[in-house]
Parts: sequence; structure tokens; C-alpha cells
Amino acid sequence: EVRLVESGGGLVPPGGSLRLSCAASGFSFTSYWMTWVRQAPGKGLEWVANIGQDGSDKYYVASVNGRFTISRDNAKNSVYLQMNSLRGEDTAVYYCARPYDIPAPGRLGYWGQGTLVTVSS
Amino acid sequence: IVLTQSPGTLSLSPGERATLSCRASQSVSYNYLGWYQQKPGQPPRLLIYDASSRVTGIPDRFSGSGSGTDFTLTISGLEPEDFAVYYCQHYGNSPYTFGPGTKLEI
Repeated sequence: EVRLVESGGGLVPPGGSLRLSCAASGFSFTSYWMTWVRQAPGKGLEWVANIGQDGSDKYYVASVNGRFTISRDNAKNSVYLQMNSLRGEDTAVYYCARPYDIPAPGRLGYWGQGTLVTVSS
Repeated sequence: IVLTQSPGTLSLSPGERATLSCRASQSVSYNYLGWYQQKPGQPPRLLIYDASSRVTGIPDRFSGSGSGTDFTLTISGLEPEDFAVYYCQHYGNSPYTFGPGTKLEI
């Protein structure tokens, strides 16, 4: 069974930093791109970033480029999101997601339950 | 690519047919367009990928169609559990944006 468990969310002041983690199990982690998607309270989904199987390919949405860094540790079956210079508009539930199948990294077929990040003083 | 969904809210009754639209600002490569269902307090669930392929285990009352810039999700014979928010998403080229969603309400 595919399982994705996010952690690391919490309350952080504007300008602060936070590192989210996603622990994956139940599949061959090194075979899949991994993605972070966020959802502000009461709002829609926003694709944030993804990372290729060996960690060399990374893409970001413009609003977080230069502030957020996605990474992965294939030995630990984990993907991370380092968030710096946080702003109020970064407040959201952050989901970790895996593609439905290998060929299309963007087909997000498996999702974690999410972790809430609140940016506030 | 910017995705626009219509209507914003759709009010229907169980048993009726729902037609949800997703329009892209430019052609979606390889018709890499997916549809997701989200219920309150839950993560999204992928229903349809590549515009018209149904994910394993998704009931056949859900169907997707379209190509290029215009896509449709059809739900034939609404069940009570189908009332939720539906998002389209393109995944042809990064960033893989989502549409704003259509709320399907009773």
C-alpha cells in the first residue's frame, strides 16, 4: 500500500523558515518524481514544486522560486521542502504527492493527508 | 498555462447529470489534463488522467473528454457521495497548474 506521511508543519513568524518532510512507503521510491502541492484555507490547490527520481531535476511555481527548496533522500525514502522567507500567503496545508504511474510525473495519483503551515506573528 | 473552470458552483440533485468545463489558455501538451475530486478535510483524489482515462477503481459514471484547450468532466447519474469540489490540472510542462475548482452542491 502506498503511504505518504507529511510532518514538520506549524506556526512560524513572517520571514521565518520551516522544513517539511514526507516519508514514503509501499512503493519503489527511487522510481518516481515527487511533488508538493499546497492549499490555503478555504482556497484551491496550488502546485508548488516537484523533483526527479535522482534529485537533479527540480521545478518550482514562480511564487516560491528562490525561497523554497525541494530535495529528497532516496536512502530514507523521503522528500523535503525547505521554506525560507515565509510570508502570510504561504499559510496552507502542504500535501506530498506521488504520480499515478511512472511516465507522467504530474499525474498525482497518491496523496498524503497534509501538514498545516501557518505564517503569523 | 492558466486553467479556467466553469461554472464556479453547480447545483444539482442526485440522479442528474453534471457537466463540468475546464478551459486552458493554450493547448495542453499530449492532452495531459487530469480531474480531481476533493471532499472537505480530505486530500484530492485523481479521477481522470490524460483527459479521458479513468483511474482504476473510479466508477464508470465519471468520464472525461476534450482535447487541446477545452475539456469536460461528466458525471452521469449523480450519487450523494459525488457532491464535492472538482479541479482540473494540466501536467504537460512545469509548473503543473490547477484550475480554481467547481463546487458541485446538492
